[in-house]
Amino acid sequence: EAGVTQFPSHSVIEKGQTVTLRCDPISGHDNLYWYRRVMGKEIKFLLHFVKESKQDESGMPNNRFLAERTGGTYSTLKVQPAELEDSGVYFCASSQVGGAIIGELFFGEGSRLTVL
Amino acid sequence: AQKVTQAQTEISVVEKEDVTLDCVYETRDTTYYLFWYKQPPSGELVFLIRRNSFDEQNEISGRYSWNFQKSTSSFNFTITASQVVDSAVYFCALRGYGGSQGNLIFGKGTKLSVKP
Repeated sequence: EAGVTQFPSHSVIEKGQTVTLRCDPISGHDNLYWYRRVMGKEIKFLLHFVKESKQDESGMPNNRFLAERTGGTYSTLKVQPAELEDSGVYFCASSQVGGAIIGELFFGEGSRLTVL
Repeated sequence: AQKVTQAQTEISVVEKEDVTLDCVYETRDTTYYLFWYKQPPSGELVFLIRRNSFDEQNEISGRYSWNFQKSTSSFNFTITASQVVDSAVYFCALRGYGGSQGNLIFGKGTKLSVKP
């Protein structure tokens, strides 16, 4: 069974440009989460989808970030326009309904974003 | 406010040594959940354990053991007879009762290096 996959693994862009990160959850997992780790800081929750609906987006830093999950399958996280402080590693995780309650999230390898 | 502190940034041990990774948490919730995740060099976070606040029993899984003490707000992780494959970054995380399913509060992580 394929795990959570994220693309790209690393993206280098200039300030002001747009970047779109993609996450493919484990097949059948209704719950999908985005997290971010800025260098030297903690991993921070961004948002949570249940199927195509945003269940909790309290961690989204500002309106330059847009997350979508059309059809309840893969998700995209767009940053537009990117700023220097957006640099970091963006993790995606997924879980089954029961898995989310016990915190067993399956994480991807992360997408490293570098904004110059 | 909720917070997780992992005071040890990096630990280096020689194979077969025992090592304890410290985790101290802060929360005002009476019901909460604590987790440990392992991040190997490949980047993904791997779920290790989850504990709820009503279960203070220590847990052992092979060479891994966890010591949960509410009196000191600690949830420490011990690896017995460490191996090179244990080298990774280990994260402790907390979810309060009111938190959404995937809204975990992470510590900054402890990088463990096990040398042969």
